[in-house]
Amino acid sequence: EAGVTQFPSHSVIEKGQTVTLRCDPISGHDNLYWYRRVMGKEIKFLLHFVKESKQDESGMPNNRFLAERTGGTYSTLKVQPAELEDSGVYFCASSPGTGEYEQYFGPGTRLTVT
Amino acid sequence: AQTVTQSQPEMSVQEAETVTLSCTYDTSESDYYLFWYKQPPSRQMILVIRQEAYKQQNATENRFSVNFQKAAKSFSLKISDSQLGDAAMYFCAYRRGGGADGLTFGKGTHLIIQP
Repeated sequence: EAGVTQFPSHSVIEKGQTVTLRCDPISGHDNLYWYRRVMGKEIKFLLHFVKESKQDESGMPNNRFLAERTGGTYSTLKVQPAELEDSGVYFCASSPGTGEYEQYFGPGTRLTVT
Repeated sequence: AQTVTQSQPEMSVQEAETVTLSCTYDTSESDYYLFWYKQPPSRQMILVIRQEAYKQQNATENRFSVNFQKAAKSFSLKISDSQLGDAAMYFCAYRRGGGADGLTFGKGTHLIIQP
């Protein structure tokens, strides 16, 4: 069974540019999460999809971030325009259910904004 | 809001020895789950062990066990017979029960295994 995959693994962009990160969850997992880890800080929750619907986007930093989940399958996270403070590692995770169900993490996308 | 605190940025242990990683949390919820995740260098984060708050018995997975002190809001991870493959970042995480919320993480502890 394929795990959670993320693309690209690393992205370097200039301030003001746009970047789109992609996450492919484990097949059949309705729950998809985005997290971000800024250097030296905690991994922070960004948002949660259930199928194609946004269940909780309370962690999204501001309106420069837009997440979508097409048809309840893969998800994209677009940052437009990127700022220096957006640099960090963006993780995606998926889960088949609620409560004690494990979240399976992808390898992350390292975003560097210069 | 819930918080998770890992007070040890880095720990070092000799191979085959035992090490304990600390984690405390703060929540007003009574139903929740606690997790320890491991992220080896350049690899994906994987679940090590989980604990349901309603269970008094401490969770155990092979060489990994937890000391869950609910009243003290403490959730430490003990690794017995440490192996070189245990070297990784370890993250303590919290999730409210009854739903599929995102996880709240601590800052992580970098575990070094000395051969």
